[in-house]
Amino acid sequence: SQTIHQWPATLVQPVGSPLSLECTVEGTSNPNLYWYRQAAGRGLQLLFYSVGIGQISSEVPQNLSASRPQDRQFILSSKKLLLSDSGFYLCAWSSQPNQPQHFGDGTRLSIL
Amino acid sequence: AQTVTQSQPEMSVQEAETVTLSCTYDTSESDYYLFWYKQPPSRQMILVIRQEAYKQQNATENRFSVNFQKAAKSFSLKISDSQLGDAAMYFCAYGSGAGSYQLTFGKGTKLSVIP
Repeated sequence: SQTIHQWPATLVQPVGSPLSLECTVEGTSNPNLYWYRQAAGRGLQLLFYSVGIGQISSEVPQNLSASRPQDRQFILSSKKLLLSDSGFYLCAWSSQPNQPQHFGDGTRLSIL
Repeated sequence: AQTVTQSQPEMSVQEAETVTLSCTYDTSESDYYLFWYKQPPSRQMILVIRQEAYKQQNATENRFSVNFQKAAKSFSLKISDSQLGDAAMYFCAYGSGAGSYQLTFGKGTKLSVIP
């Protein structure tokens, strides 16, 4: 069966520091991968998605970036975090467009 | 652009009773997919149920069922025999049938289950 792992679970970072969140999927090949952000009391906002290694599509311009160095690895990064980057970040995968997306446990990011 | 509206920020239900969560969406497409996701306090997003727009039959998963009204662009979730473990945020989501990778989520409904 397929599983998705996301870490760390919680992270507290100072403003201006770098960020690296990692997500890996097991049990499937060539998944579609997604990064979402969920602000308090709001729905999910798609940040990036990837349909293959090295292929990244950005939905929202900001100081975050994503990379997919391996088929089942998706990384969310920032060179300098802003206070507005605080939130709950979720990684997800799907086998095809419009198939259900399966989510990781999320990372709660707090910026001080 | 598609929009998804969940008009009930919070709902409550007595244990063992039935509750219906509302969702409406706006689209000009004829082919699309709809989902309900559950997010318990642990924050993990869990797929509850999926509906293809071309199917007239309402989807059902155990105690969870939907009332899909395509003409009205309505997609409500009915939870029967509510259990304490059903307490969570519930999100309605829309996926385009045109091969789009993006899901558009509503802002969610917080469901409380009263023992």
